[in-house]
Amino acid sequence: AQSVTQLGSHVSVSEGALVLLRCNYSSSVPPYLFWYVQYPNQGLQLLLKYTSAATLVKGINGFEAEFKKSETSFHLTKPSAHMSDAAEYFCAVNTGGFKTIFGAGTRLFVKA
Amino acid sequence: DADVTQTPRNRITKTGKRIMLECSQTKGHDRMYWYRQDPGLGLRLIYYSFDVKDINKGEISDGYSVSRQAQAKFSLSLESAIPNQTALYFCATSVPGLAGATEQFFGPGTRLTVL
Repeated sequence: AQSVTQLGSHVSVSEGALVLLRCNYSSSVPPYLFWYVQYPNQGLQLLLKYTSAATLVKGINGFEAEFKKSETSFHLTKPSAHMSDAAEYFCAVNTGGFKTIFGAGTRLFVKA
Repeated sequence: DADVTQTPRNRITKTGKRIMLECSQTKGHDRMYWYRQDPGLGLRLIYYSFDVKDINKGEISDGYSVSRQAQAKFSLSLESAIPNQTALYFCATSVPGLAGATEQFFGPGTRLTVL
């Protein structure tokens, strides 16, 4: 069965610092992986997705994620945090069926 | 802009009441979904529909029902609301494509409180 684990329900960084949000997945077949962002009072929107092409995926707003099969990870990074990055981030996995499994979410706080 | 809309955005109701949450989309997508979001649990799938005649239960369908009135409309009903159905509810759409590889487009959510 597929599953997603996001390490850390809350992450706090200073403005300008590196953002690292961790995601590990479990899947018996090659997965499709997604990162979504949820701003306050809004629905989720796609940041980036991995669909078996390049292992380093670039998304919107300067975010990127690297698929590492050996570590079953898909961590999200951004070199320099901005105040506008404060939001909740969800990692999700799909193994080719109808169902996308979402992680529990990580709330990112950015300090001035 | 093509969009996914949900009504109402907020609703407070009492235990035992019937309530309907509505979702409309102008994206022209065939696939529609209903999720609930609870703190610390992420999103869980309630029902999904791949076209007007195809409706399927998700992982937590007990206590819920749905209706796909048209390609653009997908409603979620709570026949007899209970307090543990208090949550944030999202509608989403997607296009058919390489199975599992397409992203979903989410509405703004409905915050439901059952007293």
